[in-house]
Amino acid sequence: KQEVTQIPAALSVPEGENLVLNCSFTDSAIYNLQWFRQDPGKGLTSLLLIQSSQREQTSGRLNASLDKSSGRSTLYIAASQPGDSATYLCAVDTGRRALTFGSGTRLQVQP
Amino acid sequence: GAVVSQHPSRVICKSGTSVKIECRSLDFQATTMFWYRQFPKQSLMLMATSNEGSKATYEQGVEKDKFLINHASLTLSTLTVTSAHPEDSSFYICSAIGLAGDHPDTQYFGPGTRLTVL
Repeated sequence: KQEVTQIPAALSVPEGENLVLNCSFTDSAIYNLQWFRQDPGKGLTSLLLIQSSQREQTSGRLNASLDKSSGRSTLYIAASQPGDSATYLCAVDTGRRALTFGSGTRLQVQP
Repeated sequence: GAVVSQHPSRVICKSGTSVKIECRSLDFQATTMFWYRQFPKQSLMLMATSNEGSKATYEQGVEKDKFLINHASLTLSTLTVTSAHPEDSSFYICSAIGLAGDHPDTQYFGPGTRLTVL
């Protein structure tokens, strides 16, 4: 059974810092990995999707990497802003198209 | 981008009543929809997979007779929580995959429905 773990569970940083969120998964036979953002009491916003054959994806200040063989992914956020404060969720698709989610990293960026 | 809506966004009901939640893909046809549940401070857990015109596939531990799913068209799936109890209080989120977006594997999530059972 696929399990997804995210570290740290919570993170507080001052505005402007670069930061890294970590995600690990137990079964490397994944189809793709996605990073989402969830604001309190709201749904999910897709940030980046990395196919199993890819190593990384970039969108603006966000960069996500994938090392499938070691079961790890990182989300790098450059020059963090208070508006980046949210919970970031990592999820893997093992080919069923349904996603297995990690428990998330709650990020607080202090102005 | 592709948009998925959910209705209602929030519902409070008495124990023993049934509640229906709708999930709609507004500008694309959703061949598959998923229903997830999220308890406070926990992550999303898949409840069931719904394909248009066929019976939903439920995850282990999810009672199919309690959580009725109907995917009657390519733009609408409904989740009915029958005889709801306080332990069913949760945040229910649907997602859809279909002929939309930049990537066929992208899941588009609805805004969620907060269910509170008194």
